[in-house]
Amino acid sequence: QKEVEQNSGPLSVPEGAIASLNCTYSDRGSQSFFWYRQYSGKSPELIMFIYSNGDKEDGRFTAQLNKASQYVSLLIRDSQPSDSATYLCAVIGSYQLTFGKGTKLSVIP
Amino acid sequence: GAVVSQHPSRVICKSGTSVKIECRSLDFQATTMFWYRQFPKKSLMLMATSNEGSKATYEQGVEKDKFLINHASLTLSTLTVTSAHPEDSSFYICSAREARGQTQYFGPGTRLLVL
Repeated sequence: QKEVEQNSGPLSVPEGAIASLNCTYSDRGSQSFFWYRQYSGKSPELIMFIYSNGDKEDGRFTAQLNKASQYVSLLIRDSQPSDSATYLCAVIGSYQLTFGKGTKLSVIP
Repeated sequence: GAVVSQHPSRVICKSGTSVKIECRSLDFQATTMFWYRQFPKKSLMLMATSNEGSKATYEQGVEKDKFLINHASLTLSTLTVTSAHPEDSSFYICSAREARGQTQYFGPGTRLLVL
């Protein structure tokens, strides 16, 4: 069974710090990796996707992928209280998007 | 970015009635749409995968006769909750995948309350 694992948190970081969110996946054939943000009571919102090993930066967000270790992470620089949400890691293998259970992030002012 | 809409955003109905939820991809064609359900403080749960022009594929434990899915066009999928009961009260979210990509974009969700 294809699995995507995330630490459920909550992860608390002070405002201005770097938040590091981690995700591991079991399907070695996975090709595409996504990070979604979900605010309480709202639907998920796509933040970033990454296909290749290495880092991909978009503003304050950096996604990191290591296929050999089956590991993908999301770094949020200069964390803001508005970043407080649940972050969902999602992985596509052959067809279907598989979600992790999400990590709840709290940025403390 | 790609936009997915859902209608209605919120619905309250009496037990035993049927409720239809629409999901539209506004600026792209979606050959595949997905329906999820999420209970408070719980993870997203995939209910079914809907392919345009063919029957939906339901996840284990999801009753296909209770949750009717129609994907009539490349921009519209509907979910009908038939004979709704209070335990069907939940947050229903659709997502759509572009015809030539793997990225899924989510609609804003429909909050269903069955009295």
